Amino acid sequence: QVQVVESGGGVVQPGRSLRLSCAASEFTFSAYTMHWVRQAPGKGLEWVAVVSYNGNSKYYADSVKGRFTISRDNSKNTLYLQMNRLRAEDTAVYYCARQWLLPEIAFDIWGQGTKVTVS
Amino acid sequence: DIQMTQSPSSLSASVGDRVTITCRASQSISRYLNWYQQKPGKAPKLLIYAASSLQSGVPSRFSGSGSGTDFTLSISSLQPEDFATYYCQQSNSSPYTFGQGTKLEIK
Repeated sequence: QVQVVESGGGVVQPGRSLRLSCAASEFTFSAYTMHWVRQAPGKGLEWVAVVSYNGNSKYYADSVKGRFTISRDNSKNTLYLQMNRLRAEDTAVYYCARQWLLPEIAFDIWGQGTKVTVS
Repeated sequence: DIQMTQSPSSLSASVGDRVTITCRASQSISRYLNWYQQKPGKAPKLLIYAASSLQSGVPSRFSGSGSGTDFTLSISSLQPEDFATYYCQQSNSSPYTFGQGTKLEIK
């Protein structure tokens, strides 16, 4: 069925890097804008970054700007989040989410999340 | 950035009750407001988009209303599976900020 599956989380020391992946299946990945959203332990949802369907436009939350890079490989149906200079406050479950094609922006497909612990 | 404020932060109710959750934006977002439901350990699920449009497959006991800065999510007759945390999200402009969440608990 239509789904996205995140991977790449783990435990990493402050200041180090980690790359998350999100593999899409059963939909035309190259047609969709994709997002990363995170959730710190016991906290709410925080939007992190977005990349347009063709990878040409990218935007970031101020909290990660200059440290994180969102990218995609449409030939591999995969979304990435390169996280550099990690901080304790980046500890969270990271979700990738599909923005549907309707004019009103909403995230209709979410992965199960991958946990990142910076410690 | 647009700030989203939900109230209450938590709510206790019984099966069969009608409940309403409020979301306020720090500036007008027209009707670009979504509602998500999240259960423990699970990903969020889209319930309502564009303030009042029901996502496919979502029960009709869920409804949304509002425009500008003030929005509500209502559940007409709570079912056991509705006990979860609910988030609003503005989709008017990036960053697409979420409210802090409302945890709906069984009384």
